[in-house]
Formats: sequence, structure tokens, C-alpha cells
Amino acid sequence: DSGVTQTPKHLITATGQRVTLRCSPRSGDLSVYWYQQSLDQGLQFLIQYYNGEERAKGNILERFSAQQFPDLHSELNLSSLELGVSALYFCASSFSTVTEAFFGQGTRLTVV
Amino acid sequence: TQLLEQSPQFLSIQEGENLTVYCNSSSVFSSLQWYRQEPGEGPVLLVTVVTGGEVKKLKRLTFQFGDARKDSSLHITAAQPGDTGLYLCAGAYADSWGKLQFGAGTQVVVTP
Repeated sequence: DSGVTQTPKHLITATGQRVTLRCSPRSGDLSVYWYQQSLDQGLQFLIQYYNGEERAKGNILERFSAQQFPDLHSELNLSSLELGVSALYFCASSFSTVTEAFFGQGTRLTVV
Repeated sequence: TQLLEQSPQFLSIQEGENLTVYCNSSSVFSSLQWYRQEPGEGPVLLVTVVTGGEVKKLKRLTFQFGDARKDSSLHITAAQPGDTGLYLCAGAYADSWGKLQFGAGTQVVVTP
């Protein structure tokens, strides 16, 4: 158990809908990272937050947004869902930006 | 396009045999991390290598970072069925060790 908690574990939704994925980092970790893992693209970095502020952006669609709250949990919001965004979404956390990150167990999103 | 190329993509061996997985890049990374991922789970960090030429050993696993910090290898001695999994290498940049560039992974299957 990495100490990073992601909910829900599975999510099935229809095209055009909006969903929210939640991540609770390890106790004491200030930085949160979101990743997408699909069969054709592998693990891709989406976005990073550090102590409530956005630090870095990767290959994140404009229809996706994220935030980190004062209690340091983070949410990834995906809207106008298309079939192509079905994937595993992972959250990782680290104490600082120059320490290793530890991954949660992921949320499997299926868009039908 | 993967900046980190892993080879081979798939490896199937018998218990007791040795194996090596390679990770090559045209970019220089400040550190390189190896993860193992099992189906439905998040990646689990195995090791971080930072210094060019560095060799780290973790029981039967030996990790090496190339002198130019562009390539790495993972060698498993006397593989066991418990070593089965997807092995991922990931490069990190100086400003963020959690913002990772992942390779596509090597699926290792060890049969009894």
C-alpha cells in the first residue's frame, strides 16, 4: 500500500458526460501528479500541483481540469467525455518536487 | 513518440534464468527510476539512479545508469514467478522527480 488513495476504483459513464476523480496523497506529501495510462500511449503525465498551485502541465486535454485543495487532496475533472479517453488514471504524490513519487491504485474509466 | 525506448517489449523465461531489460533515450535525465506494475495496480517504485555509471543492487535485481545518463538496464538473476510484471523505466528532470517520462514497458513472464 503506497498510502495514496484514489476513488472511485472503477467508473463507467456515457459519452458527453462529466466525471470527477479524487486523490488523497500520502500524509505529509505536498505534490500531486496525475497520469493517464492507455494501451496505445502508455503512461502519460497530465498535470502536477504543489501545495495548491499548478506546477506543470503535460498532455492534458482542454476538456480536462484539475485542482488541489487546502487539505492537499486533488480532483481531476473530465468533461465532454469521448470513447478515446477510456483509460486508467493514476495519481501520485511526493513530499517535494525533488523526491520520488508514489502511485495510487488508479481509477479505471470506461466511456461507453 | 516515446522519448524512452525499452527493449525487449516482451520477455518469457523459465524460473531460475537470468534476464536483462534495457532503457535507452536520446535525452539526458537528472534521474531515472524503475517501476514494476501488476495488472490493475499502480506502478511500484523499485529504485532511483542519479549518478552516471551508478550501479544499485536490490536483492536479485541489479540496476545500472549509463555514464552519459541517457540509458539504463535492469538485470534479474535467477528469476522467480514473483518477478512477473510490467517493468517500466521513467526519466525525471531536475525540477521535478514526479513529472516522469515513461517508457512503454517490458512485460516479463516467469514460468515455474
